[in-house]
Amino acid sequence: AQSVAQPEDQVNVAEGNPLTVKCTYSVSGNPYLFWYVQYPNRGLQFLLKYITGDNLVKGSYGFEAEFNKSQTSFHLKKPSALVSDSALYFCAVRVPNNAGNMLTFGGGTRLMVKP
Amino acid sequence: GAGVSQSPSNKVTEKGKDVELRCDPISGHTALYWYRQSLGQGLEFLIYFQGNSAPDKSGLPSDRFSAERTGGSVSTLTIQRTQQEDSAVYLCASSPGTSGYEQYFGPGTRLTVT
Repeated sequence: AQSVAQPEDQVNVAEGNPLTVKCTYSVSGNPYLFWYVQYPNRGLQFLLKYITGDNLVKGSYGFEAEFNKSQTSFHLKKPSALVSDSALYFCAVRVPNNAGNMLTFGGGTRLMVKP
Repeated sequence: GAGVSQSPSNKVTEKGKDVELRCDPISGHTALYWYRQSLGQGLEFLIYFQGNSAPDKSGLPSDRFSAERTGGSVSTLTIQRTQQEDSAVYLCASSPGTSGYEQYFGPGTRLTVT
């Protein structure tokens, strides 16, 4: 079975500082990995994904993530945080060709960026 | 273009009543998913439709839950004899296919069972 762990319920960072939101996964097979962001009372918005190729993936709003196969991690990063980045972030995994094709989500990490 | 839409945005119902939640996916998307987001359980997969294939119902929590997708487009999630533990935000997502495609989520329906 596949699983995703986001070890931090909340991450606090000052505006202008770099941010990291951690994600580790457990799957059998090569994973497809995704990051989504959720603003209050909104659905999930896609940020970026890793399918194959370069381990460093760049996405929306200046976010990037690095796929590390040996550490089974896919941490989300941004060089300089904005107050408007404050939201709930979800990491998700899918194993290609698995029976359901559904996403398995981590528990979410709340990012708080303070001015 | 238009994104995934869901209705109603909020639904309050009494325990024991049936409810129907609607999802309109992005036009042309062949895959449609239902998820449930609740405080205690996080985001859980419920059911998945792909084209004309039989749906994957492996995530449905009980036989009170069912879903259909008519004409390969609109989907309805039905919960019969609602219970308080069914209170959650129900999210619908669609994607152009399955392999490697990201899913686009609707705003969700907040269901409260009193």
